Amino acid sequence: QKEVEQNSGPLSVPEGAIASLNCTYSDRVSQSFFWYRQYSGKSPELIMSIYSNGDKEDGRFTAQLNKASQYVSLLIRDSQPSDSATYLCAVRVNTNAGKSTFGDGTTLTVKP
Amino acid sequence: IAGITQAPTSQILAAGRRMTLRCTQDMRHNAMYWYRQDLGLGLRLIHYSNTAGTTGKGEVPDGYSVSRANTDDFPLTLASAVPSQTSVYFCASSLQPDGNTEAFFGQGTRLTVV
Repeated sequence: QKEVEQNSGPLSVPEGAIASLNCTYSDRVSQSFFWYRQYSGKSPELIMSIYSNGDKEDGRFTAQLNKASQYVSLLIRDSQPSDSATYLCAVRVNTNAGKSTFGDGTTLTVKP
Repeated sequence: IAGITQAPTSQILAAGRRMTLRCTQDMRHNAMYWYRQDLGLGLRLIHYSNTAGTTGKGEVPDGYSVSRANTDDFPLTLASAVPSQTSVYFCASSLQPDGNTEAFFGQGTRLTVV
């Protein structure tokens, strides 16, 4: 089992719809959770971080964390074609020298 | 402009040659990382450094070495390149090695070993 697993994708949604990206992790002591967006041929950039159970909203993005279920998700409301990218989930165990483990990513396509 | 810079942006390298990928950051971040990204395999950590003068092995360290002589620079060396090291390499940094600090990535180096 991989330490961090994401929807295999690709995920395709129509413009204006809600895109839901999911991530599960295996290490129960994980404490920090990050979502990165990576456009094709570019480097990853952070879009959301979450550290406590519950929801965290930032504009059209909402991150949801459930530590009991070892599950973190990213919702993108009113999806736009510019949201088309690969989304990487990263999980950090803060006692493990700060090393983050990344999932393989989910590729999202938003169709106009 | 503050950030993290990698060089070169791309390179074609003959197998058996030695190559150093350069990474410099001007954000005074303590922690730095080298990842490789291969299609279908996501980002895999090669080596990391929590602070100047210290380094550690990541998930896929074999065939690579790093040094951290100062805060700003974190070069990655391939002593004798092999075709399986063909990949996109990303350098990253974070303010602290632990706690709730995110990583910032360089633009990447696309390396092809032939």
